Amino acid sequence: QQQVKQSPQSLIVQKGGISIINCAYENTAFDYFPWYQQFPGKGPALLIAIRPDVSEKKEGRFTISFNKSAKQFSLHIMDSQPGDSATYFCAASIVNDKIIFGKGTRLHILP
Amino acid sequence: DGGITQSPKYLFRKEGQNVTLSCEQNLNHDAMYWYRQDPGQGLRLIYYSQIVNDFQKGDIAEGYSVSREKKESFPLTVTSAQKNPTAFYLCASRSLGGTQPQHFGDGTRLSIL
Repeated sequence: QQQVKQSPQSLIVQKGGISIINCAYENTAFDYFPWYQQFPGKGPALLIAIRPDVSEKKEGRFTISFNKSAKQFSLHIMDSQPGDSATYFCAASIVNDKIIFGKGTRLHILP
Repeated sequence: DGGITQSPKYLFRKEGQNVTLSCEQNLNHDAMYWYRQDPGQGLRLIYYSQIVNDFQKGDIAEGYSVSREKKESFPLTVTSAQKNPTAFYLCASRSLGGTQPQHFGDGTRLSIL
């Protein structure tokens, strides 16, 4: 009930391609869905976040798509660049409660 | 510059020894968190605190202890009861109220000698 399932575990994309990472949840009480980006040896940093009353949110090359009925959300990285190579975590929470993280996706962009 | 400071960056522990990881934040955040990160395991919550002098166990609290005597500080002690302590430890904090983002420190890597 409290899990967030993330796939794939690892992803290789050509430079300029679209990277897509998917997440699914069960708890319909979740009302905040952030994505975090982590580079080696660093802590994760907030990349983009969405509330369930919105179906899509775009910030630059990064887009979250949210499907409330399917209880799924995904991160799309357009025109993927080698500098986007990192580990990405999806997450979900109820306001003021602890954040539940997916297990992460290791993304590698080929130059 | 506001942020979360974790120290040390690298730490080595001998068998049977307790070690304490430091986490300090100057963001005036109410809540603080400790996570353990292992390859392929994601971020697993060890302990969290939403108010001074109060803290809650997370999913993997066994072998760890914490204190929250000051709002800005949340040290984590890895005790000798933690049989597999080698991992990357991350501290985080956030404000409560609304959908406030969680901020992370840059971690402490703990290894066993």
